[in-house]
This record gives sequence, C-alpha cells and structure tokens, in this order.
Amino acid sequence: RKEVEQDPGPFNVPEGATVAFNCTYSNSASQSFFWYRQDCRKEPKLLMSVYSSGNEDGRFTAQLNRASQYISLLIRDSKLSDSATYLCVVTHNFNKFYFGSGTKLNVKP
Amino acid sequence: EAQVTQNPRYLITVTGKKLTVTCSQNMNHEYMSWYRQDPGLGLRQIYYSMNVEVTDKGDVPEGYKVSRKEKRNFPLILESPSPNQTSLYFCASSFQGAGEKLFFGSGTQLSVL
Repeated sequence: RKEVEQDPGPFNVPEGATVAFNCTYSNSASQSFFWYRQDCRKEPKLLMSVYSSGNEDGRFTAQLNRASQYISLLIRDSKLSDSATYLCVVTHNFNKFYFGSGTKLNVKP
Repeated sequence: EAQVTQNPRYLITVTGKKLTVTCSQNMNHEYMSWYRQDPGLGLRQIYYSMNVEVTDKGDVPEGYKVSRKEKRNFPLILESPSPNQTSLYFCASSFQGAGEKLFFGSGTQLSVL
C-alpha cells in the first residue's frame, strides 16, 4: 500500500471556481504534513504546511484529519496561475518524506 | 541568494558508465536528500543525510551511492547506470530534517541508453 495516495485528476475548472483536493496517508504515526506545488517538470515548491487545527493562506485552506488520516487543500477563486500539480507530503521518524503522486489542476479562462 | 544547486540539468549516458550528479546548498542545512520522480509514482526518496558523514537509505536506494563529506555537498553516484534509472532526479535540503520546509534543486533529467 502506498504511504500517500492522491487522486491524479486532472481537475479542470473555470477561473473563479473553488476546488478541493484530498490526500490519504497510511501511517498513523505520521508527524508533519505539507502541500507542495509543482509546475511541469520543475522543482516542487512549498505551498503550505498543514496544522492540526487547519490553516489558511490567502485563497488556500488546508485541513488535517488525523482520525481518518487524510489531508485536504481548498483553493478558492481559482486563477489561471494556479494550474499546476499539487503534491501531498507527509513525514515520519523526522527523517523521511513521503510524496503523493500529485493531483493535476487545470484552470481554464 | 539561498539556493540548492544541482548539476547537470540534463544528462544522457550509456549503460554501465559511472556518473555523478552534484548537489550543493548554501543555507547551512543539516538535512539533505535525493529523490527520483517517475510518471504515476511521484517523488521517491533515494538517500538522505542528517549531517556530515551520516547517510541512510530511503525507499529506493538500489543502484545508487551518496556521500556527505562536507555539510554543503551531497553528490549522487551511479556506479553502473541501467536504463531503469532513467528518471528526473531532485536534490533537496532542509534546516534540520523532516518536519521542515524542503528546498529543491532544479532537477536533473537523466537518460540511460
């Protein structure tokens, strides 16, 4: 079983739409959680960390549900520039990162 | 500028010819790691290092070697590359380890013929 699973998409949405991605993880001892953004074959970049209480950064909201072992990312008022692949990342043992295979988002005019 | 520098950006080689991909960071990070990215599989960790002279296997270490003789450098060595090592490789570093933001190099696209 994969450590982290994501719906690969693609999610095709119009500008201004709200879109949500989910990610599930298998190890209940996972300690830290992140969303990274990756543009086509470029290096991933941190979008936001995910905290137990949930957190927001502008149009982006991340939630963590430890009981059900999933993480979510909500993007409001989608922009064309949000088109990318979103990677869910979890860590455990303080030394290993586990990446989901990514969810592709296409925002269309 | 704070960055992770990875070279080369593209590399084409033949089976069995030893190669090294270099990775250097200028942020005094203790943690460095290597990943390969393949379609549908996401990024998978090859090796990581918590500090100088401390390295450990990730999930897919077979066919790779690393060394950490200096804090800033973490080269990836393929002693005898094979076609199944054709992939996009990323080096990354963070201040102290998992749980912190990873800074990535710009990637190396390796093709083994």
